[in-house]
Amino acid sequence: SQQGEEDPQALSIQEGENATMNCSYKTSINNLQWYRQNSGRGLVHLILIRSNEREKHSGRLRVTLDTSKKSSSLLITASRAADTASYFCATVQTGANNLFFGTGTRLTVIP
Amino acid sequence: NAGVTQTPKFHILKTGQSMTLQCAQDMNHGYMSWYRQDPGMGLRLIYYSAAAGTTDKEVPNGYNVSRLNTEDFPLRLVSAAPSQTSVYLCARLRPGTVNSYEQYFGPGTRLTVT
Repeated sequence: SQQGEEDPQALSIQEGENATMNCSYKTSINNLQWYRQNSGRGLVHLILIRSNEREKHSGRLRVTLDTSKKSSSLLITASRAADTASYFCATVQTGANNLFFGTGTRLTVIP
Repeated sequence: NAGVTQTPKFHILKTGQSMTLQCAQDMNHGYMSWYRQDPGMGLRLIYYSAAAGTTDKEVPNGYNVSRLNTEDFPLRLVSAAPSQTSVYLCARLRPGTVNSYEQYFGPGTRLTVT
């Protein structure tokens, strides 16, 4: 079964707005990662947050992690049309050595 | 695609036929993995290999995996079924991420079984 579930399934915003997508998971984890997938570049790693971290930034990306609620959020600030893609969270469960992916959020940024 | 190549890009199989999806990396990383991606279901792990010559988990029914060397990681569909229609993605670890399992993915093979 999938480790992660993402919310919303689809999100449509205007260019320049912020986009927030959420991920929930079921078991204890070592880390949580976010990936982006679009038709041009395939599936690309964006950012990783470890289980002992609460927030991480990379450029226009901000990730938070709440292990007590088993949830994470990805914020993309000042969105661009090029951010249009599907975004997936993926977890490495404690004691495991592989990724479990969520079902993804489809983000559309309207120019 | 970050040093992971997959062939073919597209293929159509008939039920019962077999074929091998090829995956190769241009780095000397031990860990490689195969996922399948279906609409609305995200990516599901099929198999991973920590190093050449090792088998690390039970291979799901309908698939056969080999890892004779570090570079190549082929996935074989033994007797294809329509339920195996999917996009197959191969991956290797990003450098320096052995313990965190961050991965580079190949461009994928879109397989249709009729």
